[in-house]
Amino acid sequence: GQSLEQPSEVTAVEGAIVQINCTYQTSGFYGLSWYQQHDGGAPTFLSYNALDGLEETGRFSSFLSRSDSYGYLLLQELQMKDSASYFCAVRHNTDKLIFGTGTRLQVFP
Amino acid sequence: ETGVTQSPTHLIKTRGQQVTLRCSSQSGHNTVSWYQQALGQGPQFIFQYYREEENGRGNFPPRFSGLQFPNYSSELNVNALELDDSALYLCASSLKGQAEAFFGQGTRLTVV
Repeated sequence: GQSLEQPSEVTAVEGAIVQINCTYQTSGFYGLSWYQQHDGGAPTFLSYNALDGLEETGRFSSFLSRSDSYGYLLLQELQMKDSASYFCAVRHNTDKLIFGTGTRLQVFP
Repeated sequence: ETGVTQSPTHLIKTRGQQVTLRCSSQSGHNTVSWYQQALGQGPQFIFQYYREEENGRGNFPPRFSGLQFPNYSSELNVNALELDDSALYLCASSLKGQAEAFFGQGTRLTVV
């Protein structure tokens, strides 16, 4: 079967750094994506890793280790607007996405 | 705004009825995927269309069907609605081979 595991909830304060981990078991792995979804909103693409290593996009970075079937999303200089759900998603070679159950991030002042 | 629009935004149907949801892809995108998102869960892949052909299907029964039109807009049809079909239905468009998918705001379907 296919499964992705993420923590269900993470809390942090403004200005802090938070890491959201994702482990996966899947066939046909092509890469790992991260999406942000605010309550009532659409998922929004944040980052993508096809190869091992770190990808940095502004305050957000994502890491992948294919040998460990593991990745993480790192959010720096947290802001209140970062409060949302974050999903890791395995991208298959057909471009379909298999999503995890999501991590709800709450940022406090 | 992603340029992907879905209609309607909300819908209430009775068990056993049929429903059609619509999606207009971002300009230039040739691939559209549909996802079902239950409350508190991650989106679940239903199927994908590429150049008007089904290009992959998730673990959904045949009463979930779809179409993609020459202008790359798309429809999701669900027959014989069940209470468990109540969910947010998301459409995502992309360019074949590109990692980034652009999601619409979704259609919230409630089956009573």
